[in-house]
Amino acid sequence: GQSLEQPSEVTAVEGAIVQINCTYQTSGFYGLSWYQQHDGGAPTFLSYNALDGLEETGRFSSFLSRSDSYGYLLLQELQMKDSASYFCAVLNQAGTALIFGKGTTLSVSS
Amino acid sequence: ETGVTQTPRHLVMGMTNKKSLKCEQHLGHNAMYWYKQSAKKPLELMFVYSLEERVENNSVPSRFSPECPNSSHLFLHLHTLQPEDSALYLCASSQDDQANYGYTFGSGTRLTVV
Repeated sequence: GQSLEQPSEVTAVEGAIVQINCTYQTSGFYGLSWYQQHDGGAPTFLSYNALDGLEETGRFSSFLSRSDSYGYLLLQELQMKDSASYFCAVLNQAGTALIFGKGTTLSVSS
Repeated sequence: ETGVTQTPRHLVMGMTNKKSLKCEQHLGHNAMYWYKQSAKKPLELMFVYSLEERVENNSVPSRFSPECPNSSHLFLHLHTLQPEDSALYLCASSQDDQANYGYTFGSGTRLTVV
């Protein structure tokens, strides 16, 4: 079957750096996606990694190691507004839709 | 506004009621999805439509019935639901061949079954 594992909660202070890990089990792997969801809001797309390595987009970066079935989302210079849930996702075995991890709730304090 | 609009935002219904959730997108996407989000559980895929054809029905009980009349609209018809069906129902859309590159989600319908 397919599964994604990520920590349920992470806490940090403003200005800090935090890393949210995701390990996955799947066949026919195409890439790893990350989504952000604020409380009561819609999940929004953050990043996608198809190849090994680090992709940087502003304060957020995402990393993938296909050989380790592992990726992470790196958030730098944390701000209060980064408090949200973060989900990793991969395509299902049929290749028709994304399946998501349970999500990591990030709490940023001042 | 995310580009995908879901109505209603909140819905309370009895177990014997029939109601429908609506999703609308004008992003030119040709694939649409229904997900269920319960507390402490991952987003659960329910249905996938590509070019208005249902391509996946993820073992969803028949009390949930999807409808996709055109590429811009998606409905989820509900009847004789159970209290455990209370959840946030999210609609998403994407370009079919770029599902891995980014979904656009609606803000969801918060459903409470009493």
